[in-house]
Amino acid sequence: DSGVTQTPKHLITATGQRVTLRCSPRSGDLSVYWYQQSLDQGLQFLIQYYNGEERAKGNILERFSAQQFPDLHSELNLSSLELGDSALYFCASSVGGLANEQFFGPGTRLTVL
Amino acid sequence: DQQVKQNSPSLSVQEGRISILNCDYTNSMFDYFLWYKKYPAEGPTFLISISSIKDKNEDGRFTVFLNKSAKHLSLHIVPSQPGDSAVYFCAASSGGGADGLTFGKGTHLIIQP
Repeated sequence: DSGVTQTPKHLITATGQRVTLRCSPRSGDLSVYWYQQSLDQGLQFLIQYYNGEERAKGNILERFSAQQFPDLHSELNLSSLELGDSALYFCASSVGGLANEQFFGPGTRLTVL
Repeated sequence: DQQVKQNSPSLSVQEGRISILNCDYTNSMFDYFLWYKKYPAEGPTFLISISSIKDKNEDGRFTVFLNKSAKHLSLHIVPSQPGDSAVYFCAASSGGGADGLTFGKGTHLIIQP
């Protein structure tokens, strides 16, 4: 158990809808990272937050957004969902903002029908 | 453009023998490399890492070798055990991981009894 929690575990929705994925980092970790793993892809970095502020952006679509709250939990919002958004979404956390070693949650499997 | 490549989607090794997983990278700015292990329905788990100032790092049965001139790293597992059966991801970062980790697509290691 990495100490990172993600909810929900599974999510099934329809095209055009909007969903919110939630992540709670390990106790004491200030950074949260979001990754997407599609069927034939490795993990793709989406976005990082550090202590409530956006720190870095990767391959995140404009339809996706994230935020980190004062209690350090983070939410990833996915809107106008398309079939291709079906994937595993992982959250990871680390102590600092420039940490190499990240601890991953169990992921949320999103299925868009 | 895949900056981290794991060219073997799967590898089968007999229990007790050495497992060697390979990884190549193209971005010369990468200065930190990690290996993660992933079981089904779980998030990736950090295994071992190496900084670009070293060429070898050892932790128990796991050793990572880095050849910077060839932009190649490998993970050696000796001796291989049934519990090592999992998907192994190679990851790389630059600048302390500020832009997240760049992952390869993974190698599925199967340890045969």
